[in-house]
Order: sequence, then C-alpha cells, then structure tokens
Amino acid sequence: SQTIHQWPATLVQPVGSPLSLECTVEGTSNPNLYWYRQAAGRGLQLLFYSVGIGQISSEVPQNLSASRPQDRQFILSSKKLLLSDSGFYLCAWNPGLRRTDTQYFGPGTRLTVL
Amino acid sequence: KQEVTQIPAALSVPEGENLVLNCSFTDSAIYNLQWFRQDPGKGLTSLLLIQSSQREQTSGRLNASLDKSSGRSTLYIAASQPGDSATYLCAVANAGGTSYGKLTFGQGTILTVHP
Repeated sequence: SQTIHQWPATLVQPVGSPLSLECTVEGTSNPNLYWYRQAAGRGLQLLFYSVGIGQISSEVPQNLSASRPQDRQFILSSKKLLLSDSGFYLCAWNPGLRRTDTQYFGPGTRLTVL
Repeated sequence: KQEVTQIPAALSVPEGENLVLNCSFTDSAIYNLQWFRQDPGKGLTSLLLIQSSQREQTSGRLNASLDKSSGRSTLYIAASQPGDSATYLCAVANAGGTSYGKLTFGQGTILTVHP
C-alpha cells in the first residue's frame, strides 16, 4: 500500500531564516506531487505541483521554491522566511495515470514564523 | 478562474440529526469533485470522489451528489455522531490540458455534533 510522509511535523523559525520541508511517498512510482498551504482563516491554496523528476510548476508567486530530486521526494524551500509564510503545509500525491484520480494527503507540517 | 464556495461556514447539530453540506463551483469544466474531512491539526482524508459523469456516490452514512451543469454538490450525512465533528472540504479537479489533477478547494464547513 502507499503511504506519504512529511517532516518535520512542526517547525518554529525566525523571520529571515531558511526553510526546508520534505515529503516522500512510498509504494508507488511516478506520482504527481503537490504542495498546498493552509493559512489561518483561509482555504487550501496550491503552491507547486510536479509531474516528474525535475519538473516543477508554480501556481502562486512567492518567496518559496520546490524541487523534486527523486521520483518520490518533493521538497519545499525558502531562502528567507517571511511572517506571511506561517501556515499548515500539506503534501499530496495522485497516481498520475488518470486526471480523475483522487489525491492523497500527508499529515502536514505546521510552520510558525516569528 | 475556478472558485469554490461552501455553505454554511459552520454548523452545530445534536447527535442523530441528518444534515446537508453544500458546495458550489463557478466553472463546470471539471474532471471530478471530492469531499474531504480534516480533523484539527491533521491532514485531509478523502471521503468521496464523484467523477464528472456521475450523479452521486455513497459510502456508509455519507452520500454525495453532483449537478455539474449547475455547479453544485451536496454532502449528506445521515444519523450524525459526535465522531463526525470535523471540517469538511469540497474540492474540484479542474479540466484542461495542463490541469494535472490540480484541486481548487472551498473554505470548508466546520461541523460540530454534540451529544
């Protein structure tokens, strides 16, 4: 069966510090991968998605970036965090074979920028 | 640009009641519509997925309907229980050549079922 992992689970970082959040998927190959952010009082917003190694598409301009160095690994990064980067970050995947597949979500990372 | 709206924003009911959550979307060009559940501080759990060609899906006490032409979906929960308390999110997978299954979410309905 497939599982999705995210770490860390929680993170408190000062403004201006770097960020690296990691997401890995087990039990599947060549998945589509997605990063979402859920900010307080706001809905889930798609940040990045990837359909293959090294292929990243950005949905929203911001000071975040994403990378996919391996087939089942998706990383969210920032060189300098802003207060507005605080939120709950969720990674998701789907098999990518059909666009009608459901998405499966990880447990999330709670990021607080102080 | 697809927009998804959920009504009501919050709902509080006594245990045992049947209830309906509503979701509307502005662009009917979708592959599917999904209902998710989110417990506080947790990730999302998929409840039901309705393909664009389908009218409804059922799982246990849950029934979701889809009227794509009018841009509406409802989630019906029968005989609600305190364990159903959570935030319920509606999301649509937008159609189109470069959609890649990307989801647009509503703001969610916070459901509280009290004993």
